[in-house]
Amino acid sequence: KQEVTQIPAALSVPEGENLVLNCSFTDSAIYNLQWFRQDPGKGLTSLLLIQSSQREQTSGRLNASLDKSSGRSTLYIAASQPGDSATYLCAVTGGGNKLTFGTGTQLKVEL
Amino acid sequence: GAVVSQHPSRVICKSGTSVKIECRSLDFQATTMFWYRQFPKQSLMLMATSNEGSKATYEQGVEKDKFLINHASLTLSTLTVTSAHPEDSSFYICSALRPQSGNTIYFGEGSWLTVV
Repeated sequence: KQEVTQIPAALSVPEGENLVLNCSFTDSAIYNLQWFRQDPGKGLTSLLLIQSSQREQTSGRLNASLDKSSGRSTLYIAASQPGDSATYLCAVTGGGNKLTFGTGTQLKVEL
Repeated sequence: GAVVSQHPSRVICKSGTSVKIECRSLDFQATTMFWYRQFPKQSLMLMATSNEGSKATYEQGVEKDKFLINHASLTLSTLTVTSAHPEDSSFYICSALRPQSGNTIYFGEGSWLTVV
């Protein structure tokens, strides 16, 4: 059974810092990995999707990497802003297009 | 704009009653939709896979008689929580598979259910 873990569970940083969120998964037989953002009481916003054949994806200040063989992904956020405060979830897609979500990292960027 | 719509976004119901949540794909036909639930401060857990025209496939530990899923058309799946109890209070969110976009999965906005 696929298990997805995210470290740290919570993170508080001052505005402007660069930061890294980590995601690990136990079964490397995945089709892709996605990073989502979830604001309190809201749904999911897809940030980046990395196909299993890819190593990284970039969107603006966000960069996600994937090392499928070691079961790891990182989300790099450059020059963090208070508006980046949210919970970040990674999810891997396995057979049947089912997503297994990680435990999430709650990020707070302070002024 | 949203390509998957969920309704209602928030609902409060009394214990013992049933409540229905709808998930619609707005501009594409979705033969496959997924239902997830999320307890406070926890991650999303897949409940079931909804297949148009056939029975839903439930994940282990999810009561199919309590969480009724109907995928009667290519754009609509419904989740009915029957005989709701306070412990069913949760955030329910659906997603739909869009074949035209290389099987990209789009999520609805989610529905907050509170059972009192």
